[in-house]
Amino acid sequence: DIQMTQSPSSLSASVGDRVTIKCRATQTISSFLNWYQQKPGRAPKLLIYAASNLQSGVPPRFSGSGAGTDFTLTINSLQPEDFATYYCQQSYNTPSITFGQGTRLEIK
Amino acid sequence: QLQLQESGPGLVKPSETLSLTCTVSGGSMISRSYYWDWIRQTPGKGLEWIGSIDHDGSTDYNPSLRGRVTMSVDTSKNQFSLGLRSVTAADTAVYYCARADYDDYYYALDIWGQGTTVTVSS
Repeated sequence: DIQMTQSPSSLSASVGDRVTIKCRATQTISSFLNWYQQKPGRAPKLLIYAASNLQSGVPPRFSGSGAGTDFTLTINSLQPEDFATYYCQQSYNTPSITFGQGTRLEIK
Repeated sequence: QLQLQESGPGLVKPSETLSLTCTVSGGSMISRSYYWDWIRQTPGKGLEWIGSIDHDGSTDYNPSLRGRVTMSVDTSKNQFSLGLRSVTAADTAVYYCARADYDDYYYALDIWGQGTTVTVSS
């Protein structure tokens, strides 16, 4: 199995900040990496697919980068609605996909 | 606007079979090629992929569930279903159904149901 490790597990930030969340795979996954946002009591929501492609309807302050084993989700100018938990997910071994453990983004 | 909705018992006894159905509305399951997935979430293990099925009924399952999983599809009803046999407390989770959009460069869960909580307890 391909394991996904996110860092940090949690972070605190303020409205207007720029934050980055990292995701590392245990083997190369090319660009088969997606990012999701999940708010309490809600299903995850797709933000970024194929490492750097913005899902339709997602604000452009969200961006993704990386390839191989190391990936980054960047949120520019944090908005109040961005405080949530973020997950990466590899789809290299489709359909046997796996998720990272999540990064909780909290208000400072 | 395509929507997915899970349904099924919220309480299942140990050793019995968990059965859930996902109803797709606002579009047809066969209008384009997608996979239809089940994912579960627990505080301890996080998000775990259970399996996927296409509209022809071809399936793939998570090997870690050791042959306890069965998925089926009924395109006439726009539904797909999950069966998980011999459940234990470890199968207590929020269960989500989701649509997987894919091509040569990605496989992404772009539409999710709201999730349903299933508790395994006597």
